[in-house]
Amino acid sequence: GQNIDQPTEMTATEGAIVQINCTYQTSGFNGLFWYQQHAGEAPTFLSYNVLDGLEEKGRFSSFLSRSKGYSYLLLKELQMKDSASYLCAAMDSNYQLIWGAGTKLIIKP
Amino acid sequence: GAVVSQHPSWVICKSGTSVKIECRSLDFQATTMFWYRQFPKQSLMLMATSNEGSKATYEQGVEKDKFLINHASLTLSTLTVTSAHPEDSSFYICSVIGQASYNEQFFGPGTRLTVL
Repeated sequence: GQNIDQPTEMTATEGAIVQINCTYQTSGFNGLFWYQQHAGEAPTFLSYNVLDGLEEKGRFSSFLSRSKGYSYLLLKELQMKDSASYLCAAMDSNYQLIWGAGTKLIIKP
Repeated sequence: GAVVSQHPSWVICKSGTSVKIECRSLDFQATTMFWYRQFPKQSLMLMATSNEGSKATYEQGVEKDKFLINHASLTLSTLTVTSAHPEDSSFYICSVIGQASYNEQFFGPGTRLTVL
């Protein structure tokens, strides 16, 4: 079956760094997405990885290891506005997104 | 990226009534749109794939006669929840595939439906 696993909730301090992990099992693979979702809002796109390695985009970076079925989202210099849910989604061979349940990130001052 | 709008943003209705939600791609023609449902504290669940000019493809467990999808033009897809019940109360989100790449999905702002 297809499955995405990510932690339910994480807590971090403003200004610190946090890493949100995601493991996936899909039928075929066409990339790994990270989305940010604030409460009551739709998800917004953060990153897309299809090749192994680290993609850096400002304070956010995303890593992928296809052989391990593993990805992480790294958030640096955390700000209070980063408090949100972070959704990991893998695209299968039919180009359908398989979604994780999301990781709720709580930022404390 | 693509700009996607949804209308209404929120709706409250009585049990047994039907509700129509519109999804519009504002800046490009979308041949494919997706409809998702999200219950509180849960992830997005794909309901159906809406294809312009043809019947929508529904995911397993989604009743096509209850959730009517019409994708009559390249910029508009509608989801009608027929004979709504309280358990249909949810956050409904549409998305479109980006023009540049099949791998891009852009989401509408979502519609919160509450059925009393």
